[in-house]
Amino acid sequence: QVQLQESGPGLVRPSETLSLTCTVSGDSISSYYWSWIRQTPGKGLEWIGYIFYTGSSSSNPSLKSRVTISIDTSKNQFSLKLSSVTAADTAVYYCARVFYGGNSGEYLQDWGQGTLVTVSS
Amino acid sequence: DIQMTQSPSSLSASVGDRVTITCRASQSIRSSLNWYQQKPGKAPQILIYTTSSLRSGVPSRFSGSGSGTDFTLTISGLQPEDFATYYCQQTYSTPTFGQGTRLEIK
Repeated sequence: QVQLQESGPGLVRPSETLSLTCTVSGDSISSYYWSWIRQTPGKGLEWIGYIFYTGSSSSNPSLKSRVTISIDTSKNQFSLKLSSVTAADTAVYYCARVFYGGNSGEYLQDWGQGTLVTVSS
Repeated sequence: DIQMTQSPSSLSASVGDRVTITCRASQSIRSSLNWYQQKPGKAPQILIYTTSSLRSGVPSRFSGSGSGTDFTLTISGLQPEDFATYYCQQTYSTPTFGQGTRLEIK
């Protein structure tokens, strides 16, 4: 059974870069799409973006200029960088495995437990 | 972005009740609609994908229907473990979620 675990700083200063890593265990990262999602009390759930094991990625246009998603298949990890953060980026960040079945649909199949990142000076 | 609007925002019901949650898209999303369940302090978990397909292991009391812009999640015979928050998500374009429906015990 696949397991995902987010890791990274819980506190980030305004204007700095938020960096998180998702470590995948129980399955190879070299298949599937892998995604980042965040959740705030005010805006709810927000899709940040996803990456395929080949490195091909896509991100939410509302965040696109600040988001970098990368993957390291040798470590079975993928990562998120969000630059120029503000208090509005304070959220619980989740990583997830994406089921992408073409006509069979697309959904977030397995999730990490989430990690709270607070943006504050 | 496609906006997803759920109703109601909260709902009180009793064990054994049948409840329906509605999700409306701001434009047609065909059948690209998923439902998730989230319990406090936990990540959301997929229940139903592509409008009406039940994820393996999800009880058959959960069902989904709809197409285009209007979708429903129905729980027939509420169980104690079903009291949670439910979210719809569209994947027709840049994925977006509804604001959630909190299902509480009456």
